Order: sequence, then structure tokens, then C-alpha cells
Amino acid sequence: NAGVTQTPKFRILKIGQSMTLQCAQDMNHNYMYWYRQDPGMGLKLIYYSVGAGITDKGEVPNGYNVSRSTTEDFPLRLELAAPSQTSVYFCASSQIDRRYGYTFGSGTRLTVV
Amino acid sequence: DQQVKQNSPSLSVQEGRISILNCDYTNSMFDYFLWYKKYPAEGPTFLISISSIKDKNEDGRFTVFLNKSAKHLSLHIVPSQPGDSAVYFCAASAQDMRFGAGTRLTVKP
Repeated sequence: NAGVTQTPKFRILKIGQSMTLQCAQDMNHNYMYWYRQDPGMGLKLIYYSVGAGITDKGEVPNGYNVSRSTTEDFPLRLELAAPSQTSVYFCASSQIDRRYGYTFGSGTRLTVV
Repeated sequence: DQQVKQNSPSLSVQEGRISILNCDYTNSMFDYFLWYKKYPAEGPTFLISISSIKDKNEDGRFTVFLNKSAKHLSLHIVPSQPGDSAVYFCAASAQDMRFGAGTRLTVKP
């Protein structure tokens, strides 16, 4: 059971470049999320999805886009990368029942130079 | 707007003793509270949760206490083990989930 798989694990981007962070889950969870974690800070919600075809903004959506064409996949797109987007990005998924928390991927460490 | 706060960046305890990690929140709309554990180079792992209608939830060595009037929750780990050394995140859920900045727990043998 792979859980939540994120690729790539590491990436260095130049300012102005674009990239897509991939996230896939095999638990048939309806809910999926993208968070970023900056040093010394908690996780900040970027976007979330409650099912295929449905996405919504979180706390810090600027500079990002998402899509959810299938239950399994929830890619995060960075357009025109900026140094402020240097962070560790975590994808997560969950059941509707919040008692069981989220299942997180192992993260993507992104550096924008 | 930091709605979930963990004011202690680090905590060090001796193996076998109790570890107490604290968390405060400001939003009265939160109705679920959770603790996650994170090892380096891994994603957070869900540990334990508590509904706002309860004041205590226990799972093995881990117990979470909720004081709604004080908007405070805590995680007790008894007895602490070296393998518990990690960063612990407090989280609170309403429409979405908000996280604290984490507390790094070190359990010394």
C-alpha cells in the first residue's frame, strides 16, 4: 500500500520557470490537499479538493494552480517561480471522517534561485 | 493570523519520563484537534485526535487533553522512548486544517 506518493523529491528552479509537483494516492480518498512548510513555521494550506473536478483555495494560493481530474491525482502547478516559493511541499489525502487525520506524502523540497 | 500556536520550539526529556507538549488555539469554530509526528525527510504522520465534545482521548502511550474554556490542548507521552524523538505538530480542524509551528521533542536514553 503506497499511500500518498509525491514526485519529485527535490527540485531546483530558476526564477520565472514553471513546474508541476505530482501527487497520487491509492487509498480512494475523496479529499486531497497541498501544504507548504517554511522553516520554523507550520504547514500552510495552498489548495484542497473534495473530489474529482472540485478544487478550492486555501490560505496561500497565490502563484499556484491545481487540477483534480481523477480521484487519485492532484498535481500542483507553479507558474513563474519566485524565491518566495522556496519551501517544502506536502501533499495529503483523507477520508471524510476527520478523526483519522490526513495521510501525507514524503514531500518535495523546492528551491527557486 | 496564526490560529494554532505551539509556543515551545523544543523539549528534552529523559527516557521513561513523561513528555508534555502544549498547544493553544484562537478559533472557537475548530471542532477537531489532532497531533502529528514528523521525522526528518518524511511527511507528518497522524498520531491521535480528539473531538471538541470530549476532554480526553487515549491511545496506548499517547493521551490528548482538551480544555475548551482555555482553548488549550496537550499531548502526553508516557513513558517516553528514544524513538519518540521527532517534531510534533498540533493541528485544528474546522473547514480546513491549521497547523502549529511544531515542537521538537528529544528523548534522551
